[in-house]
Amino acid sequence: NAGVTQTPKFQVLKTGQSMTLQCAQDMNHEYMSWYRQDPGMGLRLIHYSVGAGITDQGEVPNGYNVSRSTTEDFPLRLLSAAPSQTSVYFCASSYQTPLGGGNSGANVLTFGAGSRLTVL
Amino acid sequence: GNSVTQMEGPVTLSEEAFLTINCTYTATGYPSLFWYVQYPGEGLQLLLKATKADDKGSNKGFEATYRKETTSFHLEKGSVQVSDSAVYFCALAQNKFYFGSGTKLNVKP
Repeated sequence: NAGVTQTPKFQVLKTGQSMTLQCAQDMNHEYMSWYRQDPGMGLRLIHYSVGAGITDQGEVPNGYNVSRSTTEDFPLRLLSAAPSQTSVYFCASSYQTPLGGGNSGANVLTFGAGSRLTVL
Repeated sequence: GNSVTQMEGPVTLSEEAFLTINCTYTATGYPSLFWYVQYPGEGLQLLLKATKADDKGSNKGFEATYRKETTSFHLEKGSVQVSDSAVYFCALAQNKFYFGSGTKLNVKP
């Protein structure tokens, strides 16, 4: 059971380049999400998905696109990289979406190991 | 809106000292509450959780009690070890997941 797999672990880009961060989970989780982690700012939600074909914006969506064509995969695309996007990115998934205020405990997030992106 | 506030770090303790990391939240109803831990160079891992008022989550010697009356979920451990050095995140789940800003714990031998 691999859990949540993110690739690449490290990436250096030049301003204006585009790239895709890959995220795959093998736990049949409905909910998937992308966060960025910056010093002193904790985790900020970029985009999330409550199932295949459904995506929505989080706190900081500008400059990023996502799609969810399958339950397993949730790639994050940087369209035109900027230095402000230098960060560590985490993909996280959960069996149950937290929508509706449900608190069954099945909405525990499982995180990937992270992708460190530097934009020069 | 929903939010999580936790004490700023870093927190530096000697081995075997008592640990408390404060966490308070803002939410309506009864969200699920969590503590996650992040070791250097790794992603976040679930440490413990509680899903209703007065529930106590516990794991690896860490404990936290869901206090509805004070909207708190403070993390405690009676005797910390060097291996507990990490960043600790308080979080809640209600419609979305909300994370605190993290508290770095340094434990010295």
